[in-house]
Amino acid sequence: EAGVAQSPRYKIIEKRQSVAFWCNPISGHATLYWYQQILGQGPKLLIQFQNNGVVDDSQLPKDRFSAERLKGVDSTLKIQPAKLEDSAVYLCASSFLPRDQPQHFGDGTRLSIL
Amino acid sequence: QKEVEQNSGPLSVPEGAIASLNCTYSDRGSQSFFWYRQYSGKSPELIMFIYSNGDKEDGRFTAQLNKASQYVSLLIRDSQPSDSATYLCAVTGSSNTGKLIFGQGTTLQVKP
Repeated sequence: EAGVAQSPRYKIIEKRQSVAFWCNPISGHATLYWYQQILGQGPKLLIQFQNNGVVDDSQLPKDRFSAERLKGVDSTLKIQPAKLEDSAVYLCASSFLPRDQPQHFGDGTRLSIL
Repeated sequence: QKEVEQNSGPLSVPEGAIASLNCTYSDRGSQSFFWYRQYSGKSPELIMFIYSNGDKEDGRFTAQLNKASQYVSLLIRDSQPSDSATYLCAVTGSSNTGKLIFGQGTTLQVKP
């Protein structure tokens, strides 16, 4: 079974620029999550999709971050404009169902803001 | 008070010993509990999950849950140098959406 695919693996941009990340979940997984992991901390949920609907985006900085999952499969997360504090690893995870189902993570995108 | 608390460590144990990793959580309505292992520069990898009070064993790993004390632990028997990693405790909140709340992780070092 193919795992969660993410791209790019690394991205370096200057502050105030924009960046986008892509995620393709495990086949058949209806629930998709985007997490932000700052160095030395545990991952923090940014947004959760169930199919193509948003379940939780309470911790998404909506003035600069946006995410979509138009066809209920793959998803993109965008940051515009980026701030220095956005330097982190952005992890995508998926699960078959949202409740009680283990989440499986992709390799993540390491973002550095200069 | 943090929602999920772990001692950041490092926890150092000799090869072959039992490593005990602990986690407390604040939301009494939490339903599901997960342990992830994260090697440096890699993504979290699921090791164990537990839903009911008591112990759950899988190979060298045992997860223990005590909902009354809001405490979950992970025991690693016969620790190996390859077990050296950061172990993340994650808890689903009472909102029941499946959202995971992570602790900051405990770094385990297994010395040969």
